[in-house]
Amino acid sequence: TQLLEQSPQFLSIQEGENLTVYCNSSSVFSSLQWYRQEPGEGPVLLVTVVTGGEVKKLKRLTFQFGDARKDSSLHITAAQPGDTGLYLCAPTYNFNKFYFGSGTKLNVKP
Amino acid sequence: GAVVSQHPSWVICKSGTSVKIECRSLDFQATTMFWYRQFPKQSLMLMATSNEGSKATYEQGVEKDKFLINHASLTLSTLTVTSAHPEDSSFYICSARLNPEDTQYFGPGTRLTVL
Repeated sequence: TQLLEQSPQFLSIQEGENLTVYCNSSSVFSSLQWYRQEPGEGPVLLVTVVTGGEVKKLKRLTFQFGDARKDSSLHITAAQPGDTGLYLCAPTYNFNKFYFGSGTKLNVKP
Repeated sequence: GAVVSQHPSWVICKSGTSVKIECRSLDFQATTMFWYRQFPKQSLMLMATSNEGSKATYEQGVEKDKFLINHASLTLSTLTVTSAHPEDSSFYICSARLNPEDTQYFGPGTRLTVL
């Protein structure tokens, strides 16, 4: 059984601040996806990381995959109110089904 | 990205009735579809994995006789909540993928309210 932790659970910050969300597992991922979900909608894929140590950038979002492929982080620079939402990490083990982390509810205040 | 639709987007039903939710992959063939449930302010919880032409595999604690899943074609999977009760009220989301190494694409979700 894999243990998956996502932190923090809640984050309320002012516009312009930076933040980092973490996703840690007890097992090695074959890949990991980060999603963003708004209330009443399905999750929308932000990025997929596959290679240990990989770093991907999506505008103000930077995603990092740990060297050991057991952890990942999402860093947002200069957060904006439009970044508000639920951020979910979803690792895949052995390219099988994946489970979601508990999610980080981000609120960016103008 | 690929498109996955769900129907209906929301449904209200009386306790004891059954409700069917459809999940369709619109522009690709989905070998595997997944069904998730999400309670307010919580993350998505995987309910079952559905492979086309096979019986669904249910996660621990999910009653297969209550949540009937059918994946009869490569573009359609259905989830039927039988004899629904108020505690079944939730946001049900499906996802679909072609191959195991492919990304899962999610539907927009179905809000079920059981009175």
